[in-house]
Amino acid sequence: DGGITQSPKYLFRKEGQNVTLSCEQNLNHDAMYWYRQDPGQGLRLIYYSQIVNDFQKGDIAEGYSVSREKKESFPLTVTSAQKNPTAFYLCATRQAGETQYFGPGTRLLVL
Amino acid sequence: AQSVAQPEDQVNVAEGNPLTVKCTYSVSGNPYLFWYVQYPNRGLQFLLKYITGDNLVKGSYGFEAEFNKSQTSFHLKKPSALVSDSALYFCAVRESSGTYKYIFGTGTRLKVLA
Repeated sequence: DGGITQSPKYLFRKEGQNVTLSCEQNLNHDAMYWYRQDPGQGLRLIYYSQIVNDFQKGDIAEGYSVSREKKESFPLTVTSAQKNPTAFYLCATRQAGETQYFGPGTRLLVL
Repeated sequence: AQSVAQPEDQVNVAEGNPLTVKCTYSVSGNPYLFWYVQYPNRGLQFLLKYITGDNLVKGSYGFEAEFNKSQTSFHLKKPSALVSDSALYFCAVRESSGTYKYIFGTGTRLKVLA
């Protein structure tokens, strides 16, 4: 996990509330990704960014938003439009080659 | 459509025995294939990858994987399993469209019995 930090480790959301998950990296990697992990479903791509100030929707972007204002940071906001947000959220970076590196994850729970 | 399949939800193996975790894929063009391991409540750790070259790829912690183009498979193997290998294993493939998107399998839980 070294070089990629995700905070908080656990996050609780009340109904109707927007919450933001932090992802910071000091690996100097250009590309960053957000995945959602649910039991038995593997990882599903929410958003990804190949470069600063640019990002693309993944397969399950509805109810989520991101920004990429700095190379080091790629925060994910879970909006109130996401009706089933309970999951384990993983941030990843990619170096110039093919390999992705993952952060330790944030578990989001709904109160 | 491009996809990755891990046909076994769980694999049980005795400590010291060889282990195999299966993965098959479907992509257009040349596949870029990966194996990751996940311990409880942790992120994924990279084990190994196949991009090109030798069909037998060696990775971290004594793991290896064999790329078989005719069978579209990329099975993960280890000659002698350890109890500490017990974890969740994911196979992934990079989409060949140039978008740098990755497709993950649903994961296989490996349980090594002492």
